[in-house]
Amino acid sequence: DTAVSQTPKYLVTQMGNDKSIKCEQNLGHDTMYWYKQDSKKFLKIMFSYNNKELIINETVPNRFSPKSPDKAHLNLHINSLELGDSAVYFCASSPHPMNTEAFFGQGTRLTVV
Amino acid sequence: QQQVKQSPQSLIVQKGGIPIINCAYENTAFDYFPWYQQFPGKGPALLIAIRPDVSEKKEGRFTISFNKSAKQFSLHIMDSQPGDSATYFCAASGGSNYKLTFGKGTLLTVNP
Repeated sequence: DTAVSQTPKYLVTQMGNDKSIKCEQNLGHDTMYWYKQDSKKFLKIMFSYNNKELIINETVPNRFSPKSPDKAHLNLHINSLELGDSAVYFCASSPHPMNTEAFFGQGTRLTVV
Repeated sequence: QQQVKQSPQSLIVQKGGIPIINCAYENTAFDYFPWYQQFPGKGPALLIAIRPDVSEKKEGRFTISFNKSAKQFSLHIMDSQPGDSATYFCAASGGSNYKLTFGKGTLLTVNP
């Protein structure tokens, strides 16, 4: 009964491909996030959704498109993958937008070759 | 512009030592300051958090000290153990900034 689960854990793909990462939370939280952790371990927010609605969209290439079918799920689709997209992507959730006590998933290590 | 500055980048202590990790922030609207612990291959896990109405918060061996006037906060780990070896991140949020802004992390190694 993992609180925030994301799949896959590892993803190796070629440049130019399109891939998706899925995330689900069973905490009953309203808000979900995608974070990117680079090779130097720096964590940076990419997107935030509150109850299926986009509320934060940082400066992220439009090749990245989040989709939230319901408030328990937030998926990340990446088009035309580039070498620089290689990173660990973390999904997280928090009770609501004003409560940023975030719970993170285990991460998806994306390697673009 | 880095809104949360964390130091040191890495830290090595002996078992039983008291590592201290420091963070400084710029945005005076921040009102929530958590610390996260991350083990290799895992996601960050919330360790302890503080709000600016108190100057110190203790949970087990972990203590946050908060200095509002200096816009600084720090994590102290009492009686550190090898199992505490991990990367620690400070973060901050608040005001109209409903997102966590993270420091760059501190790699802590506790030697037996």
